[in-house]
Amino acid sequence: AQSVTQLGSHVSVSEGALVLLRCNYSSSVPPYLFWYVQYPNQGLQLLLKYTSAATLVKGINGFEAEFKKSETSFHLTKPSAHMSDAAEYFCAVSERSGGSYIPTFGRGTSLIVHP
Amino acid sequence: NAGVTQTPKFQVLKTGQSMTLQCAQDMNHEYMSWYRQDPGMGLRLIHYSVGAGITDQGEVPNGYNVSRSTTEDFPLRLLSAAPSQTSVYFCASRRQGTNTEAFFGQGTRLTVV
Repeated sequence: AQSVTQLGSHVSVSEGALVLLRCNYSSSVPPYLFWYVQYPNQGLQLLLKYTSAATLVKGINGFEAEFKKSETSFHLTKPSAHMSDAAEYFCAVSERSGGSYIPTFGRGTSLIVHP
Repeated sequence: NAGVTQTPKFQVLKTGQSMTLQCAQDMNHEYMSWYRQDPGMGLRLIHYSVGAGITDQGEVPNGYNVSRSTTEDFPLRLLSAAPSQTSVYFCASRRQGTNTEAFFGQGTRLTVV
């Protein structure tokens, strides 16, 4: 079973609308959770990560994510979408492999922003 | 600070050819990894290393070799290229730890014909 599941391969919103990208993680893995963003023809960069200090995590570019243990979710939100937010978004978890923790990525959600 | 540098950015190979994708990082990170990205599949781990001289297989290691002779470099070798290896390849590095972020290179777009 996949350690992280992203619901929806594509999400389409209008500029100014709420952005909600869903991520659920397997309860068998520790919640070392991340969101990364990939702009066209670029590598991935960190948006935010869960550190257990707070359930609501704020990231760059106005994005935030809420850790909900009861729902095993770490959904990414932004109150108002901007055209520049159009990108691929990946939820990831650090999963134990042997003696190390290795990032495992979801399949990604492509965010489309309409004018 | 260059971060993670991958070369080349683009490459076309014929079936059966071999080549090496280069990856270098200047952040003194212990961990380095290679991923391939295919449409609808996300990023899949090919090989990873937790330090110089130590490598291990990821989810999709067949057809690829790696070595880690220095902390800075982690080359990925395609032994005999196949069309199924057409993909975008990303190298990443991170500090040791459970929730340290990964830093990615710009990617290498490989086409095998």
